[in-house]
Amino acid sequence: ETGVTQTPRHLVMGMTNKKSLKCEQHLGHNAMYWYKQSAKKPLELMFVYNFKEQTENNSVPSRFSPECPNSSHLFLHLHTLQPEDSALYLCASSQDPGLASYEQYFGPGTRLTVT
Amino acid sequence: DQQVKQNSPSLSVQEGRISILNCDYTNSMFDYFLWYKKYPAEGPTFLISISSIKDKNEDGRFTVFLNKSAKHLSLHIVPSQPGDSAVYFCAASVLGAQGGSEKLVFGKGTKLTVNP
Repeated sequence: ETGVTQTPRHLVMGMTNKKSLKCEQHLGHNAMYWYKQSAKKPLELMFVYNFKEQTENNSVPSRFSPECPNSSHLFLHLHTLQPEDSALYLCASSQDPGLASYEQYFGPGTRLTVT
Repeated sequence: DQQVKQNSPSLSVQEGRISILNCDYTNSMFDYFLWYKKYPAEGPTFLISISSIKDKNEDGRFTVFLNKSAKHLSLHIVPSQPGDSAVYFCAASVLGAQGGSEKLVFGKGTKLTVNP
């Protein structure tokens, strides 16, 4: 148990659906991250939020829309996805990027399948 | 172009022996390196890290070695135990595009199997 939870753990959606992934951290951290892990590829950073502000968008298509209402919660809104978006989506948090806290704590991930 | 490379997708060792997992990087701006361990159906968990100002960091059975001139790091596990069987990810850190945030760049991982 890392203190980072993600729901749902598994999601199957059609290409015309709209769904959201949720992440919550109970560690008092100020930075939160979305990563994507596709088969046989490294983890790819998607978005970074520091103190609720987005500080990194790693050229992610607009069909992925993040939202960070507070430092403890992070959402990833999904719409009109493609089958190649099927992957494991991981959320992570870290204490305070300004203090060079490199260690990130990961949630268990959401296994997304787009049909 | 992959900046962090783990060229061995898998490694199998006998219980009690040493496991050596290797990682190479290309970006000389990386200043902090981490190893993560991942079990199936779980997220990666932090294992051990090393700053670029050091060449070795030890934590119990785990030791990470950094060779900056070769842009190479390795994770040694001694003695290896069956519970160490997992996927091990090497990651390197660099400041994000807008500063003030760490951007972790991961390798593809090496699946370690420790046989009883």
